[in-house]
Amino acid sequence: AQSVTQLDSQVPVFEEAPVELRCNYSSSVSVYLFWYVQYPNQGLQLLLKYLSGSTLVESINGFEAEFNKSQTSFHLRKPSVHISDTAEYFCAVSVWDSNYQLIWGAGTKLIIKP
Amino acid sequence: EAGVAQSPRYKIIEKRQSVAFWCNPISGHATLYWYQQILGQGPKLLIQFQNNGVVDDSQLPKDRFSAERLKGVDSTLKIQPAKLEDSAVYLCASSQGLDTQYFGPGTRLTVL
Repeated sequence: AQSVTQLDSQVPVFEEAPVELRCNYSSSVSVYLFWYVQYPNQGLQLLLKYLSGSTLVESINGFEAEFNKSQTSFHLRKPSVHISDTAEYFCAVSVWDSNYQLIWGAGTKLIIKP
Repeated sequence: EAGVAQSPRYKIIEKRQSVAFWCNPISGHATLYWYQQILGQGPKLLIQFQNNGVVDDSQLPKDRFSAERLKGVDSTLKIQPAKLEDSAVYLCASSQGLDTQYFGPGTRLTVL
């Protein structure tokens, strides 16, 4: 069965420090990869996605993620975090299993320390 | 472009009562999803519609949950009767194709 693993349930980091949120998936077929962000008491918002082409994708607010097929990873990075980045981040993988399904990770809470 | 709308935003009921949630997807989006998100977990797909037909409802507890999407636009999700373990956020999402799903703000259900 397909699965998505987010190894860290919480990541505390100081403001203006770099951060990496890890995501690994298990799939032997081609996938689409997503990072969604959920701010407190809000719904999920798409942060960035990989469908094809360049393996490095960027968001408008400074996050980037790199698709690594050999390591089946799609880690999310930001060189300098801000207090406004406090949120929960979900990695998701879209795979074909009689229908395109979105398989979700358990989420990583990013905690920014002032 | 208006986003996915959901109502109500919050609902508190007692166990064994019934409750209904409403979702209006983004205009033109053929696919609509209902998810259940329990605190501390990722979303769990309950049901997926393509237009007004059900594509996947394998994880919907059909003895108490039901959903419909009349006319292929709005959708309602109902729980009857509710149990304590149904306390969660219920998320509606829609998509035009096979990639990006757009989410509504969710309905936070508390069952006492």
